[in-house]
Amino acid sequence: GAVVSQHPSWVICKSGTSVKIECRSLDFQATTMFWYRQFPKQSLMLMATSNEGSKATYEQGVEKDKFLINHASLTLSTLTVTSAHPEDSSFYICSASVQGRQRLYGYTFGSGTRLTVV
Amino acid sequence: ILNVEQSPQSLHVQEGDSTNFTCSFPSSNFYALHWYRWETAKSPEALFVMTLNGDEKKKGRISATLNTKEGYSYLYIKGSQPEDSATYLCAPEKAAGNKLTFGGGTRVLVKP
Repeated sequence: GAVVSQHPSWVICKSGTSVKIECRSLDFQATTMFWYRQFPKQSLMLMATSNEGSKATYEQGVEKDKFLINHASLTLSTLTVTSAHPEDSSFYICSASVQGRQRLYGYTFGSGTRLTVV
Repeated sequence: ILNVEQSPQSLHVQEGDSTNFTCSFPSSNFYALHWYRWETAKSPEALFVMTLNGDEKKKGRISATLNTKEGYSYLYIKGSQPEDSATYLCAPEKAAGNKLTFGGGTRVLVKP
């Protein structure tokens, strides 16, 4: 089956530094990647949608200059949290789809990244 | 922003018992309804993608029904087993290939 590998699974960083999170589709080409964030006791909230080779589309209230998304290839998307602050501490998770597959098989998720900014 | 409600938020089930829980979503502009199972420290796993009103899907002991006119879906677990312990998420999709809006999930704990 389709697999998305997400790294790192957890990271602790100092306030003001940047952190990069990677999502790789291992056995399929991900034409679209979705990035979500989950705060404690809340649901998964979509941050942005990226399509390979084009700029990401950000949801309302998500700062595109703070959360940089790059989807340069069909197998790799990255989320960089720039100048991280404690309020950015959260659980970040990606999901991917192949055009036309999501109706049959749903979306494939990574395992998530727990970010703690100290 | 879609309002997606899942109830209950959590439930404890005795091994062998059956259970069910609900996902409510806006019925307008409906395209599909996704169900995912999310076990601790693992990736959410797709269970069902449902599109037609009255649809019923089954995977082993887990099944789901869909009512698009009134905007709800039920997920059933028959003869619960400890390995069914997980958070079950539902997410409607408004258009093909479009973003999902997740509910808060129903956390199921099956006690031996």
